[in-house]
Amino acid sequence: DGGITQSPKYLFRKEGQNVTLSCEQNLNHDAMYWYRQDPGQGLRLIYYSQIVNDFQKGDIAEGYSVSREKKESFPLTVTSAQKNPTAFYLCASSSQVDTEAFFGQGTRLTVV
Amino acid sequence: AQSVTQPDIHITVSEGASLELRCNYSYGATPYLFWYVQSPGQGLQLLLKYFSGDTLVQGIKGFEAEFKRSQSSFNLRKPSVHWSDAAEYFCAVGPSWGTGANNLFFGTGTRLTVIP
Repeated sequence: DGGITQSPKYLFRKEGQNVTLSCEQNLNHDAMYWYRQDPGQGLRLIYYSQIVNDFQKGDIAEGYSVSREKKESFPLTVTSAQKNPTAFYLCASSSQVDTEAFFGQGTRLTVV
Repeated sequence: AQSVTQPDIHITVSEGASLELRCNYSYGATPYLFWYVQSPGQGLQLLLKYFSGDTLVQGIKGFEAEFKRSQSSFNLRKPSVHWSDAAEYFCAVGPSWGTGANNLFFGTGTRLTVIP
């Protein structure tokens, strides 16, 4: 079945450590996205990539980094510079010419 | 500026009752409108979308939504709610011209509780 796979589902990190969230899609979509979700704030765009080897900052990119070496994969690294990383992270993909986004099941990151 | 407002943070309905979730948007061009549903700890699933044509659109799980341009609204409705509809619902607006989903704006969500 085509879809988006995020792993792990739950992730715990100590303060000061970097951590990488995985996102893989087999929908053959060119564009991929990372969103952060906090209670009562909806979804906020962190980074997006419309083509391999290219990505753009979203609204809240500080403290995060991404790479897009393959069409299928768009990992997100939460660095120690991110002041408040505890949140639910959602990965999504779309075609380049369509506004509709398809979402993964999310990763809940907790800083301990 | 583009924005989406979901005025109801939390709604409680009885099972079998009708449901309407409100969504108002501000968008400078012809909007592409979406409703997504999110179960606890899960990703977002598309319920329905509207770009053009008939202003009443049908979606999955028995949901429908009506686009009213004069009111800048895209309210979601269901005639009879089931206990499994308890979830969080997000309205979103984006450009009708194709640039991908990076210009998709989401509301803050409405949490639906269904009581037996």
